[in-house]
Amino acid sequence: DTAVSQTPKYLVTQMGNDKSIKCEQNLGHDTMYWYKQDSKKFLKIMFSYNNKELIINETVPNRFSPKSPDKAHLNLHINSLELGDSAVYFCASRSRGGHTDTQYFGPGTRLTVL
Amino acid sequence: QKEVEQDPGPLSVPEGAIVSLNCTYSNSAFQYFMWYRQYSRKGPELLMYTYSSGNKEDGRFTAQVDKSSKYISLFIRDSQPSDSATYLCAMTQTSGSARQLTFGSGTQLTVLP
Repeated sequence: DTAVSQTPKYLVTQMGNDKSIKCEQNLGHDTMYWYKQDSKKFLKIMFSYNNKELIINETVPNRFSPKSPDKAHLNLHINSLELGDSAVYFCASRSRGGHTDTQYFGPGTRLTVL
Repeated sequence: QKEVEQDPGPLSVPEGAIVSLNCTYSNSAFQYFMWYRQYSRKGPELLMYTYSSGNKEDGRFTAQVDKSSKYISLFIRDSQPSDSATYLCAMTQTSGSARQLTFGSGTQLTVLP
């Protein structure tokens, strides 16, 4: 049973296009995240949702818009794709409360913008 | 300067070696420290979790935190080829409902058979 799943796994598209990445978690977690990992493996948070409410919105171009239809899903829509958007995008979820900050990551979506 | 700095690697060691991976940080508010392991083309997975200063051992892995020096380490004993991966340190503050993680840039480790 996959805990955090993302679709698609690979996405190759032309500059200027609009694309979406979907994320689903079946762990019953309240908080979900989107991260961007660049070619040097640097992992940077983009957004965080808690129970469908946006709680973190880092300095990300407004071409990126997250949407959480319910607490098990957090999708990422990207408008007017640019070359610099090429990266691996990871979705993650985290359980609420306690000391542990275990975040469970999805397998990633490798986006290539041509 | 980044909040979290990690030895860049890549690091290549023979099987059975002791591996030391390190991170330094600048934000004294960080209280929770983690090490994630990321295999090629996979998502990161939590390996070790430590609160405040001290040591934590789990099998062949030992995590150390020295808050006075703002320095954390991960030691891998008797390293195996299956340990070949990128290791990312991560840390977070106590406050804030989001518990945002700040990651190091990762060290790529290869254990040669």
